[in-house]
Amino acid sequence: GAGVSQSPSNKVTEKGKDVELRCDPISGHTALYWYRQSLGQGLEFLIYFQGNSAPDKSGLPSDRFSAERTGGSVSTLTIQRTQQEDSAVYLCASSPSGAGGATTQYFGPGTRLLVL
Amino acid sequence: AQSVTQPDIHITVSEGASLELRCNYSYGATPYLFWYVQSPGQGLQLLLKYFSGDTLVQGIKGFEAEFKRSQSSFNLRKPSVHWSDAAEYFCAVGLSGGGADGLTFGKGTHLIIQP
Repeated sequence: GAGVSQSPSNKVTEKGKDVELRCDPISGHTALYWYRQSLGQGLEFLIYFQGNSAPDKSGLPSDRFSAERTGGSVSTLTIQRTQQEDSAVYLCASSPSGAGGATTQYFGPGTRLLVL
Repeated sequence: AQSVTQPDIHITVSEGASLELRCNYSYGATPYLFWYVQSPGQGLQLLLKYFSGDTLVQGIKGFEAEFKRSQSSFNLRKPSVHWSDAAEYFCAVGLSGGGADGLTFGKGTHLIIQP
């Protein structure tokens, strides 16, 4: 079946602009995760959704970052007033449930964001 | 807080030789453990996972890993590498206590295969 898809695959933007990154999870997966992969920080967990709700937003790097999920499916990660340090690959993953750590997360190909 | 250490940033192995990638974790309870592989420009693909039971787990592409509680380790092995195994390998820990369910990843090991 179809895996996790993300769009766009690449995004180049100017400093100060807003960007929206989209994630389509595997059909039927109730849990959805966002990560950021950068050279300096490696893979960082950003936020997790169980259904449409995100119990803990403390992993978001700053208040310029927000995420939402609607209909228990598609999620959008929004970065406002982008900065050069936001340049990274943003990865989305989904899993059948959010049962603690005992669940396998399936990753999408990522969105490569470059802020000029 | 939990952490994952992959001591080797780069490893070079000849094609056909055996491979071992090291992973150590720090966590107060028995974690859930994962190895993922990432090829250039691609997302992460799960190689194998350990949740409980037999401490030697088999994965895809001929990989295996052994959980050693006494050493807080979960090393990845392959008896004979192929050129297509060249990639970035990530060890990750999932929490057993619920709550925020993101994985904690190591910094990764870049595997280079020599002909």
